[in-house]
Amino acid sequence: DSGVTQTPKHLITATGQRVTLRCSPRSGDLSVYWYQQSLDQGLQFLIQYYNGEERAKGNILERFSAQQFPDLHSELNLSSLELGDSALYFCASSVGDSYNEQFFGPGTRLTVL
Amino acid sequence: QKEVEQDPGPLSVPEGAIVSLNCTYSNSAFQYFMWYRQYSRKGPELLMYTYSSGNKEDGRFTAQVDKSSKYISLFIRDSQPSDSATYLCAFIIQGAQKLVFGQGTRLTINP
Repeated sequence: DSGVTQTPKHLITATGQRVTLRCSPRSGDLSVYWYQQSLDQGLQFLIQYYNGEERAKGNILERFSAQQFPDLHSELNLSSLELGDSALYFCASSVGDSYNEQFFGPGTRLTVL
Repeated sequence: QKEVEQDPGPLSVPEGAIVSLNCTYSNSAFQYFMWYRQYSRKGPELLMYTYSSGNKEDGRFTAQVDKSSKYISLFIRDSQPSDSATYLCAFIIQGAQKLVFGQGTRLTINP
């Protein structure tokens, strides 16, 4: 158990809908990262927050957004969902904002029908 | 050209065999080199981490980096069925935050 928690475990929704994925980092970690894992693209970095502020952006679509709250938990919002958004979404956390070991949560499996 | 190339496998070997997993990369700015292990329905976990060319050993695992050839390897000795998982190479640029992953190699160790 990495200490990173993600909810929900599974999410099934329809095209055009909006969902929110939640992540709680390990105790003491200030950075939260979001990754998307799909069969064709592999594991792709989406976005990083450090202590409430956005720090780095990867291949995140405009339909996706994230935030980190004062208690350091983070939410990833996915809107206008398309079939191709079906994937595993992982949250990871680390102590600092430059490279430290990232600890991954168990992931949320999103299925868009 | 992809930044990272990793043979997706699947790779199936008998218990006790030596396993070699490999990745090539094209970005000269990569400074840190990692191997993650991902069991089915779980998040990736860090297995090995190094930042210099050469070998790094940890128990049955050896990570090898050749910066001049832009090639990294992970060797698993005396492989066990519990080593069955997907292995992902990962890279990071110094000062950056994001991990760049290979596609992952699915490994099965047969008892």
